[in-house]
Amino acid sequence: DIQMTQSPSSLSASVGDRVTITCRASQSISSYLNWYQQKPGKAPKLLIYAASSLQSGVPSRFSGSGSGTDFTLTISSLQPEDFATYYCQQSYSLFTFGPGTKVDIK
Amino acid sequence: EVQLVESGGGLVQPGGSLRLSCAASGFTFSSYAMSWVRQAPGKGLEWVSAISGSGGSTYYADSVKGRFTISRDNSKNTLYLQMNSLRAEDTAVYYCAKDREEYCGGDCPADVWGKGTTVTVSS
Repeated sequence: DIQMTQSPSSLSASVGDRVTITCRASQSISSYLNWYQQKPGKAPKLLIYAASSLQSGVPSRFSGSGSGTDFTLTISSLQPEDFATYYCQQSYSLFTFGPGTKVDIK
Repeated sequence: EVQLVESGGGLVQPGGSLRLSCAASGFTFSSYAMSWVRQAPGKGLEWVSAISGSGGSTYYADSVKGRFTISRDNSKNTLYLQMNSLRAEDTAVYYCAKDREEYCGGDCPADVWGKGTTVTVSS
């Protein structure tokens, strides 16, 4: 089974900050890496698929990069509505989510 | 509008059974693989099961294999999850989700999610 890790597990940031979240797979998953945003009490929302493709309707301040085992989600300028938990997910072999990264207000 | 609405959650005793349903609308249901994902209270997301558009292929997480069965009725645009031999650790909000692309070969992310239904396993 493919295991996913994320770092940090949580971070505090201010509006306007550049935020970077890292995701690592236990084996190479090529570019089969997706990112989701989840707010409390809500369903997850797809942000990035195939490591770097922006889902329709998602603001361009979100971007993804990486391949193989190491991936990054970047928010270029954090907005108030971006405070949430972010999950990576591999879809190379079935599906596995990372443990999540909670982004809260500094 | 693409919509997924889960139902069937509730309180069940350990060892009991429950069947979840997910009613889909706004898209050609039979063209899309579907998944169930769960989230235990205060915890992260866990993929549970997936099924191809035709229903001919099914996939399960090791944690539910042999206890849960995913199925679909394309004539009713409905996805199901039959859960047997339930355990306390199955307590979670269960989400159904639609593949982002038609006829995807099992590696597509989910682009539409329902609001979830809550399953509580407790005596």
